[in-house]
Amino acid sequence: KAGVTQTPRYLIKTRGQQVTLSCSPISGHRSVSWYQQTPGQGLQFLFEYFSETQRNKGNFPGRFSGRQFSNSRSEMNVSTLELGDSALYLCASSLLGGLYEQYFGPGTRLTVT
Amino acid sequence: SQQGEEDPQALSIQEGENATMNCSYKTSINNLQWYRQNSGRGLVHLILIRSNEREKHSGRLRVTLDTSKKSSSLLITASRAADTASYFCATDATSAGTASKLTFGTGTRLQVTL
Repeated sequence: KAGVTQTPRYLIKTRGQQVTLSCSPISGHRSVSWYQQTPGQGLQFLFEYFSETQRNKGNFPGRFSGRQFSNSRSEMNVSTLELGDSALYLCASSLLGGLYEQYFGPGTRLTVT
Repeated sequence: SQQGEEDPQALSIQEGENATMNCSYKTSINNLQWYRQNSGRGLVHLILIRSNEREKHSGRLRVTLDTSKKSSSLLITASRAADTASYFCATDATSAGTASKLTFGTGTRLQVTL
């Protein structure tokens, strides 16, 4: 089976812009989660989607949003970018969510200038 | 916020030696997963151990879990240069079939030299 794919792999944006990142989970997996990784805060949970519904949300401002499509593919959007949003954004795919292994994609490296 | 701490923060060993990393966490969990991350890349899933398990093996990896002490350890035997990476533990306190939320430790940076 193909692994989790994320596009784009690298992105450079300017403060105030918005960005959309995409994630395609492993075939058959219905749960998609997003994480942000920064040197200062480490790996932090953003949100999780299952069957097109957000089931869980981390402690991030409303500028961070996401959605999931009927084929389980997911997108996350960050509006009004700030310098502090520069990070590696990782998507994780799981069969059903809780209690199952989470498999991560290669990530999208976002740089905000 | 981080669920737990990993110890040591950095570990340098020679090829062929064993590497042990420890992870402590704060709340009750349903499972704990270990991941490897090569510099700036995605996380590679290594092993999942459930709260009712005490030990699990996968190839050169051995993971233990002590829920009474809220701690886990990852042992890599006969290490290779290719094992050089950061290793993270991640806990999941959610229930089966429900929303998943992994809480990660701070990571251990492992350097294996020839």
